[in-house]
Amino acid sequence: SQTIHQWPATLVQPVGSPLSLECTVEGTSNPNLYWYRQAAGRGLQLLFYSVGIGQISSEVPQNLSASRPQDRQFILSSKKLLLSDSGFYLCACRGKGTGSYEQYFGPGTRLTVT
Amino acid sequence: AQSVTQLGSHVSVSEGALVLLRCNYSSSVPPYLFWYVQYPNQGLQLLLKYTSAATLVKGINGFEAEFKKSETSFHLTKPSAHMSDAAEYFCAVSDRTGTASKLTFGTGTRLQVTL
Repeated sequence: SQTIHQWPATLVQPVGSPLSLECTVEGTSNPNLYWYRQAAGRGLQLLFYSVGIGQISSEVPQNLSASRPQDRQFILSSKKLLLSDSGFYLCACRGKGTGSYEQYFGPGTRLTVT
Repeated sequence: AQSVTQLGSHVSVSEGALVLLRCNYSSSVPPYLFWYVQYPNQGLQLLLKYTSAATLVKGINGFEAEFKKSETSFHLTKPSAHMSDAAEYFCAVSDRTGTASKLTFGTGTRLQVTL
């Protein structure tokens, strides 16, 4: 079964500073990878997804970007954080060929922009 | 396009009482449906999934859900609530077209369990 690691677990950053969140996956090859944001008291918003190395699709225009430099590594970045970037960031993966489309989630990163 | 509606952002039940969390879906293709649970400051954990086999699906922690095509519903139930069930629950529907395999989530239902 797949395991998703995310770090850091928590992060407090000032407005205007850069951001790098990392997600790595074990137990599967060539997965689909996803970044979600969960704002306080709200549901999950899909930010980016990737179906392979170097392939990134953005769901919502924003201050963030994503990259997939390796098969099982997914990075969320920003050059200059905004207050509105605060939230709980979740990485998820779906193994290809599973036939049932469920996604498995990492433990999340709590980002507070001050 | 797919969508999910969860009725009731907050549900409160007594310990030992029936849990019923409602989910209605809209999908242009036969759906795959999921329930996830999220404990505070944790990621989402898959509770159960419907993938067009049996309409009554059993999951972890004593939860089950029934797919009703005529009602476009996939409600989550548990016969007897336990304090440890207090969490947020999300219903999701899968986009089975293309390679992205995206999930569309409902806005969530927070379950409170009281003594």
